[in-house]
Amino acid sequence: GESVGLHLPTLSVQEGDNSIINCAYSNSASDYFIWYKQESGKGPQFIIDIRSNMDKRQGQRVTVLLNKTVKHLSLQIAATQPGDSAVYFCADTFQGGKLIFGQGTELSVKP
Amino acid sequence: KAGVTQTPRYLIKTRGQQVTLSCSPISGHRSVSWYQQTPGQGLQFLFEYFSETQRNKGNFPGRFSGRQFSNSRSEMNVSTLELGDSALYLCASSLGGLGTEAFFGQGTRLTVV
Repeated sequence: GESVGLHLPTLSVQEGDNSIINCAYSNSASDYFIWYKQESGKGPQFIIDIRSNMDKRQGQRVTVLLNKTVKHLSLQIAATQPGDSAVYFCADTFQGGKLIFGQGTELSVKP
Repeated sequence: KAGVTQTPRYLIKTRGQQVTLSCSPISGHRSVSWYQQTPGQGLQFLFEYFSETQRNKGNFPGRFSGRQFSNSRSEMNVSTLELGDSALYLCASSLGGLGTEAFFGQGTRLTVV
C-alpha cells in the first residue's frame, strides 16, 4: 500500500549548522512531493514542493532533493535557526488532493 | 488574503454524540481535504472535496462523513463518537489541480470523554 516514511524521528543540531531530514516513499507513481513544518499548536505550514520531473529545488535557506531511483527525498535547511525547531513532514500525492504523510521528524536546534 | 479557517478550535464531546467541524478555504480554492492527526497514527487522510463532490476518500469508517458547499466551505461530521476519535482535525485547501500546493488551517482539537 501507500506509505511515506522518515528515517529519523528526532534530529538535534547546533544553531548555524545545516540540517538534513530524509524521507522515503513507496509509490513509484507519486508525482508531487511537499515538505511541511508543524510547530506546536499549529497546522502544518507549507515549506517547499518538488515535482517528479525535477531532482532539486531551492527555496530560501531550504533545498529539496528527489532521487526517484531509490524513492527518496530530503530536506536541507541551511544555517539552522532556533525558529526552525518543529516537526517536519514529507508528503506525497499522485491523486491531486490526497496527501500521504510520513510520521514526521522533530528538529531541535540548540543555541 | 485570509488563510484557511477552521471552527471551532477546541471541542469536548461525550462518547456516542456526534460532532460537526467547519472549514473555510482560501478564497478561490475549490479543493478541501480533511486529515486526522494523532500521536500514534500521525496525519491520516480522511477525504477530499472538489466542487462539491467527494473526489478522494481515506480508510475511515462510515461514521466520518463530509460535504462541501457551493462557496467551497466544507464540513465534516463524526457520528457516534468514540474515545479513539480524539484528535486534531485539520483541513487543507488548494486550487485543486494535480500537484498544487495545499495550505492547512490551525485545526480543531476534538476531545471525546
